[in-house]
Amino acid sequence: GAGVSQSPSNKVTEKGKDVELRCDPISGHTALYWYRQSLGQGLEFLIYFQGNSAPDKSGLPSDRFSAERTGGSVSTLTIQRTQQEDSAVYLCASSSPGATGELFFGEGSRLTVL
Amino acid sequence: QKEVEQDPGPLSVPEGAIVSLNCTYSNSAFQYFMWYRQYSRKGPELLMYTYSSGNKEDGRFTAQVDKSSKYISLFIRDSQPSDSATYLCAMKAVLIGRGGTSYGKLTFGQGTILTVHP
Repeated sequence: GAGVSQSPSNKVTEKGKDVELRCDPISGHTALYWYRQSLGQGLEFLIYFQGNSAPDKSGLPSDRFSAERTGGSVSTLTIQRTQQEDSAVYLCASSSPGATGELFFGEGSRLTVL
Repeated sequence: QKEVEQDPGPLSVPEGAIVSLNCTYSNSAFQYFMWYRQYSRKGPELLMYTYSSGNKEDGRFTAQVDKSSKYISLFIRDSQPSDSATYLCAMKAVLIGRGGTSYGKLTFGQGTILTVHP
């Protein structure tokens, strides 16, 4: 596709349920990032993928959070046993490999945990 | 103390005003400096990307970096209602991941909400 695609755009769930958020990066972009944006806050780094491997998972807030990437393309962020503090917009970005590439962001998945 | 500090505003200005947005940072490892614009319910989009100290101009926008003071600014001239958005500064450190490949890791400021009223 032309840009980074994320789904669902909105997700409302009950506390304790698991959720999966999907990111489809720009074709050819081997680098993929997940960020979280809480209300009124800047973006918080979660995880970085280069191809299918994740050299930097340092931002995942707890072991309830996990992510995978298959085929060097689509990535899934999974949150288990959701808590109210997980409510946020989860943003995915992709870029060409290397340190200087521009990050292109998707529109995000807005998660609300009741 | 956060690595990147940005006044969240909100900032409200009349159309045609000059807007000044600022960030300070504490991590000397940051090498690249960016400004992103984020409209409501949209993803951030890159506005300006600079590497060295000094000024970079693009139309009505000027980005300024002062590495010695660890301070960056974005100036918007002749502001328009369409400039109303959240402006996020971002700093990039170059890290080496497992396997020896380098990657850029962005750290964002909190974002400043700007409203330009007609």
